[in-house]
Amino acid sequence: ETGVTQTPRHLVMGMTNKKSLKCEQHLGHNAMYWYKQSAKKPLELMFVYSLEERVENNSVPSRFSPECPNSSHLFLHLHTLQPEDSALYLCASSQDLGGQTHNEQFFGPGTRLTVL
Amino acid sequence: RKEVEQDPGPFNVPEGATVAFNCTYSNSASQSFFWYRQDCRKEPKLLMSVYSSGNEDGRFTAQLNRASQYISLLIRDSKLSDSATYLCVVNGMDSSYKLIFGSGTRLLVRP
Repeated sequence: ETGVTQTPRHLVMGMTNKKSLKCEQHLGHNAMYWYKQSAKKPLELMFVYSLEERVENNSVPSRFSPECPNSSHLFLHLHTLQPEDSALYLCASSQDLGGQTHNEQFFGPGTRLTVL
Repeated sequence: RKEVEQDPGPFNVPEGATVAFNCTYSNSASQSFFWYRQDCRKEPKLLMSVYSSGNEDGRFTAQLNRASQYISLLIRDSKLSDSATYLCVVNGMDSSYKLIFGSGTRLLVRP
């Protein structure tokens, strides 16, 4: 399945590194999301973009910086991360923000991040 | 109280069994309900949306009880390939796009 792709699939970085996660959706959707999934915890919404505008910044530390250059691409820039930031970072997309209708979100395979 | 609560399991059942998962949610204003499936170390995949009238997709049946704020998923004739974690998902209090995920119920189907 190639609806939503993410690169890299695995990333190991030191606390002083700067890296970026990339997400691309091929579904013609207008909304894109970043989620964090830590071990034994439910998914946590981090950021939401609709038509390239950020509509949600869910109290995420500034060491995570999203970028949405167009409706098909979403980046998550990482800098000076902490070991507790190690997690699976998932990108998702949906047709739009949903309004009063069901908002089915489709996920990419995720980037498994380890911060040393 | 958690916004979405699920029994973590695991549910360990033989092939061919019928198994039911339950989920409760705290926001009475929620309008969107879903079941997602997540295999080990993989991304969540949408299994089915849950509608007020209940809906069925092959061996899977989802029910919604708004009065009790309760969602269920029934799997009939379990297959080995059904082994996964099943996530109950509800839209958040102030927006339809803000999905709240439960911690998931783990299902193990044995031969």
